[in-house]
Amino acid sequence: NAGVMQNPRHLVRRRGQEARLRCSPMKGHSHVYWYRQLPEEGLKFMVYLQKENIIDESGMPKERFSAEFPKEGPSILRIQQVVRGDSAAYFCASSPQTLIGEQYFGPGTRLTVT
Amino acid sequence: EDKVVQSPLSLVVHEGDTVTLNCSYEVTNFRSLLWYKQEKKAPTFLFMLTSSGIEKKSGRLSSILDKKELFSILNITATQTGDSAIYLCAAAGGGADGLTFGKGTHLIIQP
Repeated sequence: NAGVMQNPRHLVRRRGQEARLRCSPMKGHSHVYWYRQLPEEGLKFMVYLQKENIIDESGMPKERFSAEFPKEGPSILRIQQVVRGDSAAYFCASSPQTLIGEQYFGPGTRLTVT
Repeated sequence: EDKVVQSPLSLVVHEGDTVTLNCSYEVTNFRSLLWYKQEKKAPTFLFMLTSSGIEKKSGRLSSILDKKELFSILNITATQTGDSAIYLCAAAGGGADGLTFGKGTHLIIQP
């Protein structure tokens, strides 16, 4: 049973470009969470999605950031017009049920904005 | 604001020692407390605790939750160099559906 998969593992973008981060949850998991980890900081919750629905985006910046989890395919975290402060590790996690159970994390995407 | 505080932030011990990592939390509508181990990549799940006073064990690792005092500890006995990692504590609950994480304890086990 493959774990949570994320790609790319490393992404370099120039300021002003768009970044697309992909996450495929574990088989049988229908709940996806995105987190951001800044240097020297803990993981910060961004958004929680189920298939075709954003359930909670309270941790996501209001501008430039969006997320989706379509009926088919991976979940996508999209960052438009990236700035240097967006440089971070972005982790995706999935769980089989709503948040009483444990979440399983992917290996992360390390975004560097130059 | 929901918060999770871990201590110490870093800890260096020798192989064979026993360590205790601390986690306190202030989270509204608390549901569960989770521990993760993070090496160079994905945080890997260790324990989930929902009930006070019931110890969970996995090999040399164990953890317990105190919902009255709002804290949890993670114990590692007979430490090995492979235990070197960042140990993350997270609480489920609060105003958001995601986990609220502490900054982690960076544990280094010296041979």
